[in-house]
Amino acid sequence: DAGITQSPRHKVTETGTPVTLRCHQTENHRYMYWYRQDPGHGLRLIHYSYGVKDTDKGEVSDGYSVSRSKTEDFLLTLESATSSQTSVYFCAIAQGTDTQYFGPGTRLTVL
Amino acid sequence: KQEVTQIPAALSVPEGENLVLNCSFTDSAIYNLQWFRQDPGKGLTSLLLIQSSQREQTSGRLNASLDKSSGRSTLYIAASQPGDSATYLCAVRYSWNSGGYQKVTFGIGTKLQVIP
Repeated sequence: DAGITQSPRHKVTETGTPVTLRCHQTENHRYMYWYRQDPGHGLRLIHYSYGVKDTDKGEVSDGYSVSRSKTEDFLLTLESATSSQTSVYFCAIAQGTDTQYFGPGTRLTVL
Repeated sequence: KQEVTQIPAALSVPEGENLVLNCSFTDSAIYNLQWFRQDPGKGLTSLLLIQSSQREQTSGRLNASLDKSSGRSTLYIAASQPGDSATYLCAVRYSWNSGGYQKVTFGIGTKLQVIP
């Protein structure tokens, strides 16, 4: 399995608080992605990174920001969490345009 | 806009049966198509990747085919086992913007249950 970890694995927070999720890889892959998975919607891309300090928005980026200061770490921040951001968040990595490898996911609940 | 549809949404079969899962996509200008497996509460595990120039890929009891012109892919599972029970997702990679970024769009998945 590709070396991808996500932290925390579970988090419960309150509306209006900032939350940061971390994705860490040991594969030295160039591309990193944040997705959210919700019933009936499948996986939707939030943000992605194509290199250190190079990031761009996905299809559901409102309310989220990202940072990538090192190849191995990709952080997702919910600036002010809302109940609509309750979801399972997955990080993925890829080298080039081939297989994406996924992390184990973070289950976030916003009360 | 690329849309990916998977039919059926759920499937229940007795152990030992051969089965086919379907994936269709609306824009045939894809780079590749990937099949994933997801177990409850887990991340996605890549099963097979088919490049746009390929017609099929095989791994063990799994065979995936791609017909780009008709916008269809099938995942064939031979001699199904209870351990195959999971949700199977397909994903297509295609060009998203003028900057050359290639986006991946996922289907919602087919939930498979193999009954012993």
